[in-house]
Amino acid sequence: DVKVTQSSRYLVKRTGEKVFLECVQDMDHENMFWYRQDPGLGLRLIYFSYDVKMKEKGDIPEGYSVSREKKERFSLILESASTNQTSMYLCASSSRDRGSKQYFGPGTRLTVT
Amino acid sequence: GNSVTQMEGPVTLSEEAFLTINCTYTATGYPSLFWYVQYPGEGLQLLLKATKADDKGSNKGFEATYRKETTSFHLEKGSVQVSDSAVYFCALSVLNNNDMRFGAGTRLTVKP
Repeated sequence: DVKVTQSSRYLVKRTGEKVFLECVQDMDHENMFWYRQDPGLGLRLIYFSYDVKMKEKGDIPEGYSVSREKKERFSLILESASTNQTSMYLCASSSRDRGSKQYFGPGTRLTVT
Repeated sequence: GNSVTQMEGPVTLSEEAFLTINCTYTATGYPSLFWYVQYPGEGLQLLLKATKADDKGSNKGFEATYRKETTSFHLEKGSVQVSDSAVYFCALSVLNNNDMRFGAGTRLTVKP
């Protein structure tokens, strides 16, 4: 069974802390994505990566960075967490084929106090 | 830019009722269209998809037809169950998966 796993289901951090969210996929997918999900706004793309060490900004990259040192692992970094980054964070992966679906992890609910 | 608009929720139905969730899209080029579902406490999973005009995607009793003339991909199910309670997202991609765009989501609650 294919799988995308995220390091934490729930996380509580303080304002100003550095936060790492980890995502691992076991499907040898080239593409990996980080989204945030907020009520009424759907999913918004933060960053994606189409290969090891490659990254592209999505729609809302401000305040975030990413790292992809290995094909199976894609990390989202909040350099200095702020309360407006309280959200549900979803990781996904996919192949490069046109029309292929994305596989999602269970999500990390991050609260910044 | 490319985008999808789906009907706002929440939607509350009784078991065995007919379901329609509207989705329309704007895209340059020829998009692939998707419906994803998110059950409580879980990540999104693909429900169905269609990659060209007039294609019908179907799964678990749900159906959606890719209508190029009306730029729509409405989700339907003839008889909903309590277990269908979830949030449903319409999405599109044009060139490849890197440009996937999601709608805002529609929360469906089915009551027994």
